[in-house]
Amino acid sequence: RKEVEQDPGPFNVPEGATVAFNCTYSNSASQSFFWYRQDCRKEPKLLMSVYSSGNEDGRFTAQLNRASQYISLLIRDSKLSDSATYLCVVGGSNDYKLSFGAGTTVTVRA
Amino acid sequence: GEEVAQTPKHLVRGEGQKAKLYCAPIKGHSYVFWYQQVLKNEFKFLISFQNENVFDETGMPKERFSAKCLPNSPCSLEIQATKLEDSAVYFCASSQGLGGRGNQPQHFGDGTRLSIL
Repeated sequence: RKEVEQDPGPFNVPEGATVAFNCTYSNSASQSFFWYRQDCRKEPKLLMSVYSSGNEDGRFTAQLNRASQYISLLIRDSKLSDSATYLCVVGGSNDYKLSFGAGTTVTVRA
Repeated sequence: GEEVAQTPKHLVRGEGQKAKLYCAPIKGHSYVFWYQQVLKNEFKFLISFQNENVFDETGMPKERFSAKCLPNSPCSLEIQATKLEDSAVYFCASSQGLGGRGNQPQHFGDGTRLSIL
């Protein structure tokens, strides 16, 4: 079983729509959680860290469910520029060794 | 610097040749990480450093891969006797601290695309 699993998508949505997707992780001792975005095999860029209480950054909302071991990302009012691959990234019990999901592809169309 | 700087952007080598990649972490970041991305966003952890000391090298194929972070020099990742399957994008990341303590994320460089012919 992979340490982090994501629905690869693609999620094709019109501009202005809301899109949400999850990822699950296997290590119950994981301490840190992040969403990164990656465009066309460029470098992953941190979108947001995910905190236990859930957090929001503009149009992006992340949730953590430790009991069920999943993280979610919701994008509201999607823009063309949101088209990317979203990587779910989880730190292990030692924190520094990140495990990456295979990514969820989101395509926003005009 | 304010960004993780990786050089070169692209590197082409014939099978069996040596490849050396460089990474300058963000100033003030104590931790450096190397990852290999082959296909479909599958990132593989290779090695991490705390300053110039190896922190975790459990991901390194030890026969041909080596890495260093020396004071006042960029960190380096060297592959001896390259093989076709070494073709990948190699990302370097740095962080101030470890993720669980204050949720200090890793910041990635642009990557080096290594092509073995």
